[in-house]
Amino acid sequence: KAGVTQTPRYLIKTRGQQVTLSCSPISGHRSVSWYQQTPGQGLQFLFEYFSETQRNKGNFPGRFSGRQFSNSRSEMNVSTLELGDSALYLCASSPPRGSEQYFGPGTRLTVT
Amino acid sequence: GQNIDQPTEMTATEGAIVQINCTYQTSGFNGLFWYQQHAGEAPTFLSYNVLDGLEEKGRFSSFLSRSKGYSYLLLKELQMKDSASYLCAVRETGTNAGKSTFGDGTTLTVKP
Repeated sequence: KAGVTQTPRYLIKTRGQQVTLSCSPISGHRSVSWYQQTPGQGLQFLFEYFSETQRNKGNFPGRFSGRQFSNSRSEMNVSTLELGDSALYLCASSPPRGSEQYFGPGTRLTVT
Repeated sequence: GQNIDQPTEMTATEGAIVQINCTYQTSGFNGLFWYQQHAGEAPTFLSYNVLDGLEEKGRFSSFLSRSKGYSYLLLKELQMKDSASYLCAVRETGTNAGKSTFGDGTTLTVKP
């Protein structure tokens, strides 16, 4: 089975711009979670989607949003980018009867 | 909410055994996970505990005591490739169902 894929792998944006990141979960996985990872803050939960519904959201401003499509693929969007948004954004999917998460390689976002 | 504590750094010798501890506080517990993350890579799933006791998987074992809010990851016969960050994560129930909170990780260095 193919693993979790994320696109793009690297991205450079300037302050004020917006960005959309994409995640394709492992086939058959319907739960997708997003995390932000920075050296100072570790892995921070952004949100989780299941069957196109957002089940939970972390403590991030409204500039961070996401959605999930009927094929379980997910996107996250960050609007009005700030320098502090520079981070590795990780997507993870979970199997139908399990809670463990399988991570994609991440998207490295640099905001200048 | 969640509070997860684990040591920042540990050093051990190749061939030895090391135990990485994790303590947590949660309002609704739904499982504890351990992940391994090599520098520059995404986390990979190692183990999952939801009931008290020891789960063994090859050279890695994980223990959970729900009453004490305590877990440990035991790595035996250490190899150089085990040098990585080890992340403890707790999954919640109730209104936070689907949300996983990660500790800051323990950086393990294995020396020859």
